[in-house]
Amino acid sequence: GAGVSQSPSNKVTEKGKDVELRCDPISGHTALYWYRQSLGQGLEFLIYFQGNSAPDKSGLPSDRFSAERTGGSVSTLTIQRTQQEDSAVYLCASSLEISGGTEAFFGQGTRLTVV
Amino acid sequence: LAKTTQPISMDSYEGQEVNITCSHNNIATNDYITWYQQFPSQGPRFIIQGYKTKVTNEVASLFIPADRKSSTLSLPRVSLSDTAVYYCLVGANNAGNMLTFGGGTRLMVKP
Repeated sequence: GAGVSQSPSNKVTEKGKDVELRCDPISGHTALYWYRQSLGQGLEFLIYFQGNSAPDKSGLPSDRFSAERTGGSVSTLTIQRTQQEDSAVYLCASSLEISGGTEAFFGQGTRLTVV
Repeated sequence: LAKTTQPISMDSYEGQEVNITCSHNNIATNDYITWYQQFPSQGPRFIIQGYKTKVTNEVASLFIPADRKSSTLSLPRVSLSDTAVYYCLVGANNAGNMLTFGGGTRLMVKP
């Protein structure tokens, strides 16, 4: 696609339910990143993928959070037993590779509201 | 990990030049310096990137002194639409935390 696509754009869920957030990176981009941004705050790094592997999962806030990437393309971020503090905008980005000299492209985000 | 420090906020007026400085005292040899812009309800957008000296594109200029311990994003003749949060990032090659965002600088452009 022309850019990074995230779905859904908005998600309202009840506390305790599981949610899945999807990210379609730019075709050919090997690196994929997930971030979380609470209202008025900066971006909190969650996890990155190089291909299908995620070398560093330490940014995930708790074991209720997991992410996978299949085929080196689409990634899914899953939040189990959602809590109200999980409410935030979840942003995905992709780049050609993990390198300080590479531009990353962001999607529009998924706004998650846990009620 | 090279940590960055930026002013929390800045105010400016339309038509002025705005300079936002970022400190990154422990920048590594292979690190690049990248600036992103974020409007409300949108994901960050790449503005400019550099390694040393000066880089200029159609949007901004980036000044990096010889010691590379700081960098300055320069926005010429800002307009109201430049009101946004600006993030400075320092990225190490093959580092999973390459895109670690700091708090950013909230720029408010007034008429």
